[in-house]
Amino acid sequence: DIQMTQSPSSLSASVGDRVTITCRASQSISSYLNWYQQKPGKAPKLLLYAASSLQSKVPSRFSGGGSETDFTLTISSLQPEDFATYYCQQSYSTPYTFGQGTKLEIK
Amino acid sequence: QVQLQESGPGLVKPSQTLSLTCTVSGGSISSGDYFWSWIRQPPGKGLEWIGYIHYSGSTYHNPSFKSRVATSVDTSKNQFSLKLSSVTAADTAVYYCARGNNNYPYHFDFWGQGTLVTVSS
Repeated sequence: DIQMTQSPSSLSASVGDRVTITCRASQSISSYLNWYQQKPGKAPKLLLYAASSLQSKVPSRFSGGGSETDFTLTISSLQPEDFATYYCQQSYSTPYTFGQGTKLEIK
Repeated sequence: QVQLQESGPGLVKPSQTLSLTCTVSGGSISSGDYFWSWIRQPPGKGLEWIGYIHYSGSTYHNPSFKSRVATSVDTSKNQFSLKLSSVTAADTAVYYCARGNNNYPYHFDFWGQGTLVTVSS
């Protein structure tokens, strides 16, 4: 199985900050990388697919980059509604696997 | 707008079989572009993909579940289902159904709200 490792596991930031979350794959996955946002008690929500393609209706302050084994999710200017847990997920090969999550908290 | 809704018992006894159904509305389960998935999340933990089923009946199940998983699809009801046998407390989790979009790359674009299944005697 491909292991996905996110860093940091948790992050404190303020409204207006620019934050970056990293996801590393245990082997090359090309750009088969998706990002999700999950708020407490809710289902995950797709933010980006193919590493950098923004899902419909997702604000443009979210962006993604990277390829092969190293990927980033950047939020350019944090808004109050962005405080949540973020997961990366690879779809290069089955079984599809997720990172352990990054919890973004208010400083 | 596609919507998914999980249904099934919230409490299952150890060694028994967990059974859940996902009802899809706002779209057809018979579209060839989609593989319908089950994903679970133990309380306070991360996400684990269980497997998917295509409307044609083609399936893939995560080997970590060994042979405990079975999935099925009922196109007449626009539903798909999960059965997980020989459950233990470790199977206690929120279970989500999700639409897997097979357009590059495969991604989960619509999710159900999730249903908590507790394994306890």
